[in-house]
Amino acid sequence: EVQLVESGGGLVQPGGSLRLSCAASRFTFRNYAMTWVRQAPGKGLEYVSAISESGGGTYYADSVKGRFTISRDNAKNTLDLQMNSLRPGDTAIYYCARGGSVWYFDLWGRGTLVTVSS
Amino acid sequence: QTVVTQEPSISVSPGGTVTITCGLSSDSVSISYYPSWYQQTPGQAPRTLLYSTNTRSSGVPDRFSGSILGDKAALTITGAQADDESNYYCVLYMGSGVWVFGGGTKLTVL
Repeated sequence: EVQLVESGGGLVQPGGSLRLSCAASRFTFRNYAMTWVRQAPGKGLEYVSAISESGGGTYYADSVKGRFTISRDNAKNTLDLQMNSLRPGDTAIYYCARGGSVWYFDLWGRGTLVTVSS
Repeated sequence: QTVVTQEPSISVSPGGTVTITCGLSSDSVSISYYPSWYQQTPGQAPRTLLYSTNTRSSGVPDRFSGSILGDKAALTITGAQADDESNYYCVLYMGSGVWVFGGGTKLTVL
């Protein structure tokens, strides 16, 4: 089955760091741009970051720019999100999503919960 | 700051037709923003419904359709069913690898 599986979520103190991963299976990972989208408890979806197929292009929402870093390993079929200087407002379920051919998200993981709290 | 607007909540009767719109605070929505639509039920991951304004994702029934209505993108559900009761999100592509989600619309079928 074509799927994305996120991992790495957990409880972290404000100012701390966390690294999320997304494992892709059953599709040619290197052919797709990838993104991270988050959802705070009881709130809507929010775009976080995207990376091009090769990893040469990286993009961020203003809310995370300078604190989060997206990366990928096309040999291992994995997508990562390094999150530093975490704030309570970063508390959310983080979804990994595959980029479709015309600027949309065509495959979603089930998400991993990040809680930033003291 | 770019804001994408949606109706916070809408209700429809079973079998009825409902339209959810997606607007932009600073511009008219056009196909150049590649509007896409996602359905999400509580506790579940989003499901892709439509992309490029009106192209249905694989497996999406044809009672879901997309269009541009005036200066907004629109999602129309024709013949609403009980299991269409969900949250619906539009997303607009702003270019340079950046997307903006709308705030979501809670659809009630009653």
